[in-house]
Amino acid sequence: GAGVSQSPSNKVTEKGKDVELRCDPISGHTALYWYRQSLGQGLEFLIYFQGNSAPDKSGLPSDRFSAERTGGSVSTLTIQRTQQEDSAVYLCASSLGGPGLGQFFGPGTRLTVL
Amino acid sequence: AQSVAQPEDQVNVAEGNPLTVKCTYSVSGNPYLFWYVQYPNRGLQFLLKYITGDNLVKGSYGFEAEFNKSQTSFHLKKPSALVSDSALYFCAVRGSGNTGKLIFGQGTTLQVKP
Repeated sequence: GAGVSQSPSNKVTEKGKDVELRCDPISGHTALYWYRQSLGQGLEFLIYFQGNSAPDKSGLPSDRFSAERTGGSVSTLTIQRTQQEDSAVYLCASSLGGPGLGQFFGPGTRLTVL
Repeated sequence: AQSVAQPEDQVNVAEGNPLTVKCTYSVSGNPYLFWYVQYPNRGLQFLLKYITGDNLVKGSYGFEAEFNKSQTSFHLKKPSALVSDSALYFCAVRGSGNTGKLIFGQGTTLQVKP
């Protein structure tokens, strides 16, 4: 009965470096979401995967951000050439798939860009 | 566009008193509404949702929320607050279109004092 897990829990990087954040959803959950939580912007949607459908990337803030979901399970969020404004907590969530279903969130990855 | 407003940054309540955390929404079509709670250094936890049916929705930890279509509100309530209820509360609405993404309010900090 494991929940959503994310790694690393904390990541400190230098401006300009690339980072990868990982999310392991709850087994059997077909929908996976990435959100970002920051002081100035609150909770923002980034990207949504649902089964084999094309992902909803409408929340990605720039082309430095990308995400993939391999085999319908694990997802990786990649931020290239990190900037200080990318510092935030990145949250992953999963659900059984329907839009009316509650999403279960992981503990997040706190990213600090120096 | 879908949006959610939480007009209070912070709500202070004495233990044992009833609490209300306010949320109003703006949607096209029928709203799918959610409440989440975030304890310090933890991920978001699902509390309850409204999709259809009874306007009074009961959720986890004794919380409930009342959907009011005419006032476009979905206030979170609890008859008797506990100190352990102190946390950050988020109201959310499902995004428009065929997506499961959530649009969150800015959050309300609930402080329950002994």
